[in-house]
Amino acid sequence: EAQVTQNPRYLITVTGKKLTVTCSQNMNHEYMSWYRQDPGLGLRQIYYSMNVEVTDKGDVPEGYKVSRKEKRNFPLILESPSPNQTSLYFCASSPRGPSTDTQYFGPGTRLTVL
Amino acid sequence: AQKVTQAQTEISVVEKEDVTLDCVYETRDTTYYLFWYKQPPSGELVFLIRRNSFDEQNEISGRYSWNFQKSTSSFNFTITASQVVDSAVYFCALSGWRSSASKIIFGSGTRLSIRP
Repeated sequence: EAQVTQNPRYLITVTGKKLTVTCSQNMNHEYMSWYRQDPGLGLRQIYYSMNVEVTDKGDVPEGYKVSRKEKRNFPLILESPSPNQTSLYFCASSPRGPSTDTQYFGPGTRLTVL
Repeated sequence: AQKVTQAQTEISVVEKEDVTLDCVYETRDTTYYLFWYKQPPSGELVFLIRRNSFDEQNEISGRYSWNFQKSTSSFNFTITASQVVDSAVYFCALSGWRSSASKIIFGSGTRLSIRP
């Protein structure tokens, strides 16, 4: 089944404790992206990747890191999480990019930073 | 800068009523793409439609229809004869061309509640 998976689905952590949210797709898509969803703000793009080893900042990249060493994986790294990073996070992928192709979204990861 | 405005934060209607969700966008690109996504209570994001800036024809898919008007920079979404299953948060989004084709800007969403 074609899908985007994220792990963990729920995470409660404390300020400053490094964490990684994994994202994996099995559709051989070149484009992958991370978003955060906050009440009243909709979805905001954090980082995106056009292909392996090619990443770029979205609108809200501060406090986040990403890497794209393999085509299928695009982990989101929070080196020192803070409470303002409490949010619902979505990973997405598409064949070439959001303009030309449909984006497939993962199920979401709800992160709480205390 | 690109911007998407969904001024209606919440809408509540009775089942079988028609409802229109507004979306107004701003962009300097002459070529761009507009989208609608649905987020039902279960939380997943479901793609509904993509429309490029050169195609101003209205689109109809069953009970759903979309009205794209470049003159007013709007891409409105109408649900005819609404059903309870249409209850969801709906997001309008905008993506550019060339250098801005990899970025996508979402509106803040409209929460639609359909009462039985």
